[in-house]
Amino acid sequence: EIVMTQSPATLSVSPGERATLSCRASQSVGSNLAWYQQKPGQAPRLLIYGASTRATGIPARFSGRGSGTEFTLTISSLQSEDFAVYYCQQSNNWPFTFGPGAKVDIK
Amino acid sequence: EVQLLESGGGLVQPGGSLRLSCAASGFTFDSYAMTWVRQAPGKGLECVSNIGVGGSTYYADSVKGRFSISRDNSQNTLYLQMNSLRAEDTAVYFCAKTSAGSWSFDYWGQGTLVTVSS
Repeated sequence: EIVMTQSPATLSVSPGERATLSCRASQSVGSNLAWYQQKPGQAPRLLIYGASTRATGIPARFSGRGSGTEFTLTISSLQSEDFAVYYCQQSNNWPFTFGPGAKVDIK
Repeated sequence: EVQLLESGGGLVQPGGSLRLSCAASGFTFDSYAMTWVRQAPGKGLECVSNIGVGGSTYYADSVKGRFSISRDNSQNTLYLQMNSLRAEDTAVYFCAKTSAGSWSFDYWGQGTLVTVSS
């Protein structure tokens, strides 16, 4: 099973600032990496797939990059609605696995 | 508009069974793989089971031999039969449409809570 790790576990950011989250896979997943946003009491929402392609309706302030084992999600200018938990997920091998999540909260 | 509506969750005793359903609409159901993902209270996300367009199935080791995924394309419905339930199966269960090609989960239901407790 591919183990996904995320850092930092919590990121405190002021609105308008840039946030960068990291995700690492225990072995190469190619570009088969997605990012999700989850708010309390809600289902996750797909932000990025294929490591760098924004999903339908996702604002341009969200961007993803990386391949192999190292990936990043960047939110260029945090809006109030962006404070949430973010998960990375690999879909290169079953079982598809998620990282433990990274919480972005208000500084 | 894509909609996924889970049902069938509830309180069940250890060792019991439950069948979850996910009613899909707004897309060509039989053209997409579907996945069940669960989230234990206050915890992260875990892929439980996946079923392909042709009916191929995959299971997490934690549920293999106890859970069974199926789909009824005539009813646009996904199922998860859960047997021999354990306390550690307590979670919100989401069904998710699985995007062709990227295998990411582009649409999710609102989830149904399964609680395994005596």
